[in-house]
Amino acid sequence: DAGVTQSPTHLIKTRGQQVTLRCSPKSGHDTVSWYQQALGQGPQFIFQYYEEEERQRGNFPDRFSGHQFPNYSSELNVNALLLGDSALYLCASSTYRMDRTDTEAFFGQGTRLTVV
Amino acid sequence: AQSVTQLGSHVSVSEGALVLLRCNYSSSVPPYLFWYVQYPNQGLQLLLKYTSAATLVKGINGFEAEFKKSETSFHLTKPSAHMSDAAEYFCAVSPYYGNNRLAFGKGNQVVVIP
Repeated sequence: DAGVTQSPTHLIKTRGQQVTLRCSPKSGHDTVSWYQQALGQGPQFIFQYYEEEERQRGNFPDRFSGHQFPNYSSELNVNALLLGDSALYLCASSTYRMDRTDTEAFFGQGTRLTVV
Repeated sequence: AQSVTQLGSHVSVSEGALVLLRCNYSSSVPPYLFWYVQYPNQGLQLLLKYTSAATLVKGINGFEAEFKKSETSFHLTKPSAHMSDAAEYFCAVSPYYGNNRLAFGKGNQVVVIP
C-alpha cells in the first residue's frame, strides 16, 4: 500500500504565478483534505473534497481552489501567489462512512512550496 | 469554534526521562482530541485520539494522554524518552466525532538529549 502520495515534493514559484499541487489518496479512501503548514506553525485546514465536490472549507481566500477526480485523486490550485503562501501543503485522505463520519485521516509527506 | 493551545515550542528531555507535552483545548461541545507526530520530511502520523470512550488513552510508541474535562487538558506523556522520539508533536481538535476538519496547535519540537 503506497499510502497518500503527493507531488511534487518541492516547488519554487514567483509571486503572482499560479501553482497546482497533486494528491493521490490511500487505497480505498474517497475523501481528501488539504492543509497549509507555515514554518513554525501547525497545519491549517484549507478544504475537503468528497464525491468530486468541496464538502468543507476553512478560512482561506478564493485564490485557493481544488478539484477531485473520479479516481478520488485531488488537486490544490493557488492563484496569484503571495510570499505568504510559502508553506508545506499537506494532503490527508480518509473514507466517508455510511453513518456520515470520516475514518482516521492519513497524511502524505507534503509539498514544500516556496514563493519568491 | 474549537481550538487547542500548546505552550513552549521547544521541549528538551534527557534520554530515559519523562516526556510531558501540554495541550489545553477550548470547545463549547464535547471535544474530540488527537495527538500527531511529525518526523523530519514526513507527514503527520496519528499517535492517539480521545473520542469519549475512556479518559486515559494509550497510543503507539509508548505514548498516552489523559483527558481532564475540569482542566480542559489533554496532555501527552511517555515515561521514558528514547532518541527516536525526537520529532514535532501536534495536538488537534475536531469539531465533532468523525469529522476530519482538524484544528491544530502550533506544535512542540522535542529534542532528546543523550
